[in-house]
Amino acid sequence: DIQMTQSPSSLSASVGDRVTITCRASQGISNYLAWYQQKPGKVPKLLISAASTLQSGVPSRFSASASGTDFTLTISSLQPEDVATYYCQQYNSAPLTFGPGTKVDIK
Amino acid sequence: QVQLVESGGGVVQPGGSLGLSCAASGFTFSTYGMQWVRQAPGKGLEWVAFIKYDGSNKYYADSVKGRFTVSRDNSKNTLYLQMSSLKAEDSAVFYCARDFVPGGTRVPVDYWGQGTLVTVSS
Repeated sequence: DIQMTQSPSSLSASVGDRVTITCRASQGISNYLAWYQQKPGKVPKLLISAASTLQSGVPSRFSASASGTDFTLTISSLQPEDVATYYCQQYNSAPLTFGPGTKVDIK
Repeated sequence: QVQLVESGGGVVQPGGSLGLSCAASGFTFSTYGMQWVRQAPGKGLEWVAFIKYDGSNKYYADSVKGRFTVSRDNSKNTLYLQMSSLKAEDSAVFYCARDFVPGGTRVPVDYWGQGTLVTVSS
């Protein structure tokens, strides 16, 4: 099975800061990686598919990239509404697996 | 608009069984793969199962393989998850979710239901 790790597990940043979250797959998954945002008390929302494709309606301050088995989600200018837990998920092969999540809040 | 409504959650004793349903509307259910994802209270997301649009392929997390069965009835636009030999660690909110694109393989999910809570306790 493919294991997904994320770092950091949590972070606190100021409004306007650039925030970067990293996700690593235990083996190659090509670009079959998604990023989800889950706000407190809400269901997850798909932000990014295919490692770097921003979903419709997602603010352009969100971006993502890939390098081998390392994947990055970046928020260019953190906003209060971005407070959430962010999960990566590989969908290259079953069983599909989520990373443990990165909790983002405002300093 | 796309709607997914789960039902069937509740309290069940360890070793017991429970069946969940997910009623879908607002899209052509028979053309989309569907997934179940769960989240224990205060914990992260755990993928549970996938079923292809026509029911011909099913995949499961190792943690539920042999105990859970995913199925669908395309005539009723409904997804099911039959759970048996339940353990305390199965306690979670169970979400059904729709594949991002119809008929696809290797796709994430885009729409999620609101979830149904399963509690395994004596």
